[in-house]
Amino acid sequence: GAVVSQHPSRVICKSGTSVKIECRSLDFQATTMFWYRQFPKQSLMLMATSNEGSKATYEQGVEKDKFLINHASLTLSTLTVTSAHPEDSSFYICSALSPSGPDTQYFGPGTRLTVL
Amino acid sequence: GQQLNQSPQSMFIQEGEDVSMNCTSSSIFNTWLWYKQDPGEGPVLLIALYKAGELTSNGRLTAQFGITRKDSFLNISASIPSDVGIYFCAGQRTSGTYKYIFGTGTRLKVLA
Repeated sequence: GAVVSQHPSRVICKSGTSVKIECRSLDFQATTMFWYRQFPKQSLMLMATSNEGSKATYEQGVEKDKFLINHASLTLSTLTVTSAHPEDSSFYICSALSPSGPDTQYFGPGTRLTVL
Repeated sequence: GQQLNQSPQSMFIQEGEDVSMNCTSSSIFNTWLWYKQDPGEGPVLLIALYKAGELTSNGRLTAQFGITRKDSFLNISASIPSDVGIYFCAGQRTSGTYKYIFGTGTRLKVLA
């Protein structure tokens, strides 16, 4: 149980284009999901908290107009990187809050974004 | 953003040896978790700790929630080559917010 998937696993795009990343909880409903960014050889940094049916909560320094988050259902959250630039290249990881264990997040396999 | 301090930063050990790593903070946390991340993958939950002083095992892994609530420890006994990876601690400061703060990571390499 508690499986989280992400799609795509890798994406390469041109500078200025937008990229959408999907995060799905496969065997449970998640009212809360999280989006993280991880640069090479660094830790995970929380970008935003995605809440089903309401607006996402962004961490300080994260541009909400650049990183659009939509949590339209209890099993799907999407992150759209708008007008991507090379500095947005990173490993993006989502997690979903499991209802079975208190305060426990289960992570997706991550999406490697490369902006040329 | 804030990160928790993990040590050691990296370690090379021989197969069969025991491993210890820790995570410290200047703030109190209500929940401590330990994750393992393989290259190009998302973190996988190893152990979750919910009470100060709690000692929990998962196979060869044992983790403890420090009694001061400002630290946590992870031990791996009789290491094997597949233990290689990056181990992250994560802390949750306040129940109900669900947000984690991650540690800086400990990179483990096991020599066969």
